[in-house]
Amino acid sequence: EPEVTQTPSHQVTQMGQEVILRCVPISNHLYFYWYRQILGQKVEFLVSFYNNEISEKSEIFDDQFSVERPDGSNFTLKIRSTKLEDSAMYFCASTGTGDNEQFFGPGTRLTVL
Amino acid sequence: AQTVTQSQPEMSVQEAETVTLSCTYDTSESDYYLFWYKQPPSRQMILVIRQEAYKQQNATENRFSVNFQKAAKSFSLKISDSQLGDAAMYFCAYRSARAGGTSYGKLTFGQGTILTVHP
Repeated sequence: EPEVTQTPSHQVTQMGQEVILRCVPISNHLYFYWYRQILGQKVEFLVSFYNNEISEKSEIFDDQFSVERPDGSNFTLKIRSTKLEDSAMYFCASTGTGDNEQFFGPGTRLTVL
Repeated sequence: AQTVTQSQPEMSVQEAETVTLSCTYDTSESDYYLFWYKQPPSRQMILVIRQEAYKQQNATENRFSVNFQKAAKSFSLKISDSQLGDAAMYFCAYRSARAGGTSYGKLTFGQGTILTVHP
């Protein structure tokens, strides 16, 4: 069964460093998303991406964040200068045309020291 | 903007018993989807059940069923014959069915309910 994959599973970084979180969505999907979950809290929407551009972003998704689909398979989230409060689980999700289900990856745990 | 509220931070149930998790939402839209996701300790997000707002019939997936009350904006999850493997955090989520526009596609989650299953 096709699935969304994410790498790495756990990323530890120093405050101020740049990190890139990688996702491989399901191959025939066209809509891509990033969500964030701070430990013990709810899952929050960050950004949606379609046709090689951002379709919607939340207030959390400020200038420190960017997304890219550098090739036909990967979908990345970059945080330019990490802050302590960026420590969270980051989930990638994808969905196909007409499909109302979003398929989630296993998440990347980001720890900022 | 849409909001989703889960008023039960924690619930517990005895194995083989039935438990109901509550969810309410606020929206001005008439067409949307509602979901329940399960998040076990591994933190993977697993879809449990979905409901299309235009359908009057409540969705059912094996031991999981919903009570969808559109006028009351309520969407509760009933788990029958609870099993130890049902122990997890459960999230209710909303998604607009409107294509295009600024809110298409994103999921809005509630705060979650931690379900404990006692043997």
